[in-house]
Amino acid sequence: NAGVTQTPKFQVLKTGQSMTLQCAQDMNHNSMYWYRQDPGMGLRLIYYSASEGTTDKGEVPNGYNVSRLNKREFSLRLESAAPSQTSVYFCASIGDFTGELFFGEGSRLTVL
Amino acid sequence: AQSVTQLGSHVSVSEGALVLLRCNYSSSVPPYLFWYVQYPNQGLQLLLKYTSAATLVKGINGFEAEFKKSETSFHLTKPSAHMSDAAEYFCAVSPTGANSKLTFGKGITLSVRP
Repeated sequence: NAGVTQTPKFQVLKTGQSMTLQCAQDMNHNSMYWYRQDPGMGLRLIYYSASEGTTDKGEVPNGYNVSRLNKREFSLRLESAAPSQTSVYFCASIGDFTGELFFGEGSRLTVL
Repeated sequence: AQSVTQLGSHVSVSEGALVLLRCNYSSSVPPYLFWYVQYPNQGLQLLLKYTSAATLVKGINGFEAEFKKSETSFHLTKPSAHMSDAAEYFCAVSPTGANSKLTFGKGITLSVRP
């Protein structure tokens, strides 16, 4: 019963390096999301994908790109990492009729 | 537009005491409301949700929340706190509840004292 799976769980980058966070869900959900969580800020939406082949910006999209590879997978890319992108990143998918978000366990990213 | 306000960032209670975590929302349409819990080093998981079927909603682990339209509130309560309730709690609002973006509050950390 995997649900939402994110990789990697931990990553340390140097400023200017690039990386991709991977996310996959096995619940056949249409909509998927990337959030970042910072102390005292709650969760802020970076990008979302309402269905396969579509993506839209959320509240804090600058510095990120996403790809909805297929219905299962939704990746988040940092092209040139900055210290301000140090955060915990969560992928989630939403039940089509329940509106309930199912979260991955998070990816902790540190940019030096 | 929709928003959620969770006043304060930290609540501390004694084991066995009442837990009350406050949430106020604003929404241009009748909202769907959620409480999520996050245990240390884990993702968020759903505690309970309000979808207009009943104003008093019961969730997992003995938590419940009451939707009060006149007060635009959806406060989370538990009659008797347990040490295992120590976590961060997030209130969230959605305009439609299905295939739409949730707006989260900033979260409240609950500590439980022995």
